Amino acid sequence: AQKITQTQPGMFVQEKEAVTLDCTYDTSDPSYGLFWYKQPSSGEMIFLIYQGSYDQQNATEGRYSLNFQKARKSANLVISASQLGDSAMYFCAMRGSRGGGSNYKLTFGKGTLLTVNP
Amino acid sequence: EAQVTQNPRYLITVTGKKLTVTCSQNMNHEYMSWYRQDPGLGLRQIYYSMNVEVTDKGDVPEGYKVSRKEKRNFPLILESPSPNQTSLYFCASSDYLAGEQFFGPGTRLTVL
Repeated sequence: AQKITQTQPGMFVQEKEAVTLDCTYDTSDPSYGLFWYKQPSSGEMIFLIYQGSYDQQNATEGRYSLNFQKARKSANLVISASQLGDSAMYFCAMRGSRGGGSNYKLTFGKGTLLTVNP
Repeated sequence: EAQVTQNPRYLITVTGKKLTVTCSQNMNHEYMSWYRQDPGLGLRQIYYSMNVEVTDKGDVPEGYKVSRKEKRNFPLILESPSPNQTSLYFCASSDYLAGEQFFGPGTRLTVL
């Protein structure tokens, strides 16, 4: 079975500083994809970044980067130069693949509420 | 404009009254899924579909039905809603060979 663990229910960061949101996962699938989504208070789900399990390099998208450590089964999100608009709930998610039983099921963590202070 | 639409956005109903939440995408995506979001639990996948007539259970399928008769539509059916199905529901789609899932705006359902 797939499992995503986000151990930080809430995080605080000062504006313009970097912050790391933790995510660990567990799966028996031979390949998988890892995602991060942002959910502001308005409720919509915003895709941030994706990392495939066979990707050699860590994914980056603007101020977002994914620190992927396969052996440790971690996929932490790093936000550089935090902005007030980054205050939101952040979800880590994993999609499995055929062959390991998950059959493309997608599992989310419980989320981390990030607050950026001015 | 590429989008996922859901209807209705808000619904208040009573226990046992069958309802359907529609979901449609215009991106020709193969993968579609339904989630429910509850405080402290994050998003949990209800059902997903990898193509027309191919559906599979997610983590919390009890009390829900889905169908995928056309590629663009993936309705969620609650045959006999109960109060514990009060939640925020999201539909999403993706080209499952790529990464990003596109989410609909959400449907807030209250079952009295």
